[in-house]
Parts: sequence; structure tokens; C-alpha cells
Amino acid sequence: AQTVTQSQPEMSVQEAETVTLSCTYDTSESDYYLFWYKQPPSRQMILVIRQEAYKQQNATENRFSVNFQKAAKSFSLKISDSQLGDAAMYFCAHCGAIIQGAQKLVFGQGTRLTINP
Amino acid sequence: DGGITQSPKYLFRKEGQNVTLSCEQNLNHDAMYWYRQDPGQGLRLIYYSQIVNDFQKGDIAEGYSVSREKKESFPLTVTSAQKNPTAFYLCASTPRDGSSGANVLTFGAGSRLTVL
Repeated sequence: AQTVTQSQPEMSVQEAETVTLSCTYDTSESDYYLFWYKQPPSRQMILVIRQEAYKQQNATENRFSVNFQKAAKSFSLKISDSQLGDAAMYFCAHCGAIIQGAQKLVFGQGTRLTINP
Repeated sequence: DGGITQSPKYLFRKEGQNVTLSCEQNLNHDAMYWYRQDPGQGLRLIYYSQIVNDFQKGDIAEGYSVSREKKESFPLTVTSAQKNPTAFYLCASTPRDGSSGANVLTFGAGSRLTVL
């Protein structure tokens, strides 16, 4: 079974600094997808970034980037120039290859990120 | 704007009562999901549905039931058999396979259930 582990329950960073959130996963599949979702205090889940395992290039979305190490099964999220609005719970998630029907994502336990002004 | 509407936002239930959480989407998505969120445990899949009149159990289906009579609607019933129902419940959907973002979940705002 697929598992996703986030070993940092809480992290904090000074505004404008850079922070990296860790995620490791276990899967027997060769083709899969990895995600980072953000859950602010409103509790609305928002997609931050998605990585396709067959792509060697790390995904980036503005200030958000990932370090995808397939052999190590590691998928960390780097937030550059942290802003107060980045404060949230961040969830790492894994999904197998897109097949007929629903896509079952497996989520990690989450990391609560605090931004210090 | 298209999205997912969950209701009610807050719900209180007495022990022994069934309660139904509503989830409606106007995104024309085929698949819909119910997740449960507890502190320190992330999101766990309760049920999912790929198409109307079809649904499958997720990882923690015991004590829950669902129906999918319409493409837009996927209500979740928390039955009295669920021993620890107090949690935050999230509904989500994904578009048809092969489309852009076919595995990107769109979430509703959630429903908080508290058992008194």
C-alpha cells in the first residue's frame, strides 16, 4: 500500500525567508503523481503544485518549487520569500497513474507552517 | 463560478442519530470523493464514486454510507455505527480521465460534525 510521511508536524520561518517542508513516500508503482496541497485557516484545500514522476524536471509555481528525488522517494516543497499568507497546513499527497475512474490520493499527516513577521 | 458546495458547515449530532452531509458540484466532474480529516492524521478516504449509481469503499468506510443518484450530488450519511464521528469532512471531485488535471482534486469548504 502507498504511504506518505511528513516528519515535521510544525515549522516556522521569518517573513521573506525560505523554508523547506519534507515529504517521503512509499510506492511500488513506477508511474505516479505527487502533490502539495495547502489548507489555510479557512480550511479550504488548495493545490499548490503537482509533479509527474516520469518528469525529471522539478515542478515550480512562482515562489513554490519542489525537490523531487525519485530514487530516494522524497518530495520536498520549498517556499521562497515567505509571506504571511503562506501560513497554513501543508499536505503532501501521492496518486498512482491515471487509470479509468477515480483517482485515489493518499495524504500525509500535514505540516503546520507559521510565518513570523 | 463553478465549485463544490458542502452543507451544513457545522453540524451537531446526538449519539445514536444518523446525519447526512450534502455535497453538490457544478463542475461537470465525473468522480467524487469523501475524505475525513482528524488532527495529526491528514485526510483519509471514506468513499468515492466514479460515475452515477456506482461507488466504492475507501480506507475507512465502516459506519458511513453514500449514494450517487445524480452526477452533481454525492451525499454522505454518518450512521450511528460510526464510533467516533466527530471530525471535519471534505468532499472533492475530479474531471474525466484524460482531461487536463484529471487527478487534481477540487475540494469543498468542508463540514464540521460534532457529536454531543
